[in-house]
Amino acid sequence: DAKTTQPPSMDCAEGRAANLPCNHSTISGNEYVYWYRQIHSQGPQYIIHGLKNNETNEMASLIITEDRKSSTLILPHATLRDTAVYYCIVRVARDTGRRALTFGSGTRLQVQP
Amino acid sequence: GAVVSQHPSWVICKSGTSVKIECRSLDFQATTMFWYRQFPKQSLMLMATSNEGSKATYEQGVEKDKFLINHASLTLSTLTVTSAHPEDSSFYICSARGGSGGANVLTFGAGSRLTVL
Repeated sequence: DAKTTQPPSMDCAEGRAANLPCNHSTISGNEYVYWYRQIHSQGPQYIIHGLKNNETNEMASLIITEDRKSSTLILPHATLRDTAVYYCIVRVARDTGRRALTFGSGTRLQVQP
Repeated sequence: GAVVSQHPSWVICKSGTSVKIECRSLDFQATTMFWYRQFPKQSLMLMATSNEGSKATYEQGVEKDKFLINHASLTLSTLTVTSAHPEDSSFYICSARGGSGGANVLTFGAGSRLTVL
């Protein structure tokens, strides 16, 4: 899996967009970008993933740069419940059932009231 | 969507006793499940890969005789912490392939917090 770099912490005001960056400059052509989050004392929760096109679902949007060396997870209207550690993980999709995810230290997002 | 259920969500036990944690895939079959451990203020660390019908594969440094894993069916994997000691107190989390994002997503249980007195 390609190495990822995330800021250790970020703050965001409630109701505003939270933009969480991730650098993955050594990403390979067949590796996807996955985002998970872990709310305190809970298991990680899948958010979104993508290969090269921008993706959007009910939780968030994922913006991947054209060279695929970085990406941004966007929570459009952050709420206090979005306070969590967010993990950006890069890997080949077909490995999902065969190899576990490797978690780095992630970004601790604190949504402020 | 796919749900992975863990039980118990928290357990307190005396030193020297054994504790079993169950991980179930509720609406899908999981030939492979992964067990993680998380200490306070640290990230998740993979302990072992549980394969249905065969022996688990343990990560380096994880004692297989202490952390017994059984994956007897396609929907259930169990982790037994044998002769637990205070240093085994941790948050244990399982995961399996499948979820709202499709087959290329891992779904995680809510975790089981073990406290050994």
